[in-house]
Amino acid sequence: QKEVEQNSGPLSVPEGAIASLNCTYSDRGSQSFFWYRQYSGKSPELIMFIYSNGDKEDGRFTAQLNKASQYVSLLIRDSQPSDSATYLCALNRDDKIIFGKGTRLHILP
Amino acid sequence: GAVVSQHPSWVICKSGTSVKIECRSLDFQATTMFWYRQFPKQSLMLMATSNEGSKATYEQGVEKDKFLINHASLTLSTLTVTSAHPEDSSFYICSAPFRGVGVEQYFGPGTRLTVT
Repeated sequence: QKEVEQNSGPLSVPEGAIASLNCTYSDRGSQSFFWYRQYSGKSPELIMFIYSNGDKEDGRFTAQLNKASQYVSLLIRDSQPSDSATYLCALNRDDKIIFGKGTRLHILP
Repeated sequence: GAVVSQHPSWVICKSGTSVKIECRSLDFQATTMFWYRQFPKQSLMLMATSNEGSKATYEQGVEKDKFLINHASLTLSTLTVTSAHPEDSSFYICSAPFRGVGVEQYFGPGTRLTVT
């Protein structure tokens, strides 16, 4: 089982709608989780990090963590065409960032 | 936020030659840096951890003699791809943890290596 699993997509969402991205992880001891956005040909940029169970909101983004279910999600409200990218779920293991394969998100104008 | 730079941003080399990629933390010191490789449509795969003042630690399956890492100072790590082959063509990205804010990593812009 991979450490971080994501549906590769593509996930198509109409502009203005909510995009929901999901991720599961295998190591129950993992503590820190991250969502990165990566545009084609570019390196990842950090969107959000979450350490505690529950929701964490930052502008249009909400990260959700459920450690009992080993599940992390990212909600993007009022999706914009500029949100079209690959979203990488990641966790911290011994100060190393381990990435999932990413979900390609396509916002339909 | 913290800035990490890489040089060069892209490089084309002939098979059998060696290529050096630099990673610098511009406004903070990094005793540890990480090197990733990303093939098209795939995720970032951690290759190795670069440690200032000591040997790098490599992930399973990564050839340490092929991918030489030197962490020369608190702001510079280099990755040298020795005797490069076409299958080494990839996007190489470094990162450094910015200790001032949790354990978030800041990524360099990446280096696109093409081996002909």
